[in-house]
Amino acid sequence: GENVEQHPSTLSVQEGDSAVIKCTYSDSASNYFPWYKQELGKRPQLIIDIRSNVGEKKDQRIAVTLNKTAKHFSLHITETQPEDSAVYFCAATLNTGFQKLVFGTGTRLLVSP
Amino acid sequence: DTGVSQDPRHKITKRGQNVTFRCDPISEHNRLYWYRQTLGQGPEFLTYFQNEAQLEKSRLLSDRFSAERPKGSFSTLEIQRTEQGDSAMYLCASQPGPNTDTQYFGPGTRLTVL
Repeated sequence: GENVEQHPSTLSVQEGDSAVIKCTYSDSASNYFPWYKQELGKRPQLIIDIRSNVGEKKDQRIAVTLNKTAKHFSLHITETQPEDSAVYFCAATLNTGFQKLVFGTGTRLLVSP
Repeated sequence: DTGVSQDPRHKITKRGQNVTFRCDPISEHNRLYWYRQTLGQGPEFLTYFQNEAQLEKSRLLSDRFSAERPKGSFSTLEIQRTEQGDSAMYLCASQPGPNTDTQYFGPGTRLTVL
């Protein structure tokens, strides 16, 4: 089955800096890779996702890149703000309609003013 | 709020007791998922429904766990004879249906087994 590794586990940056979180997956058949943001005590919220037929996707200050050959994908946040502080989870799945999302262990991002 | 809702938000119980959680998905979402999240970890898949049919169950779902979605709308997750190791956040997510990617998560039910 799929296995997703995520690092770093914690990341501290200054406001305005960029943050990069990296994930690797094991199942080459996986074709859908979402990223979720979870603030303390709140539900995971999708912030960006990418399908395997795309190498990069961007949404304002957030971007995701996918390297299918190496089986890794990364989240890039530019111009970080204190409200970006949260735990970020990557996930991977073979999306045939049914999605058994396999999540990484999370990255706690702290953006200091 | 038209998002996924879960009830209760918190549940404290004694070991050996039975508990039941409810999930109300977004209206007309025919796919519903249950996940379990322990402290410091990502959510782990438990089970999946398409309409009222339970189509997939994780090995994490021991025979003490049962999930239903009787009318293809809300779902319940019951844990019988709770153990301390069952303490976790139980998350529900719904998905509109075929050809859609996004799973929308509920706020979760935090279970504490004493």
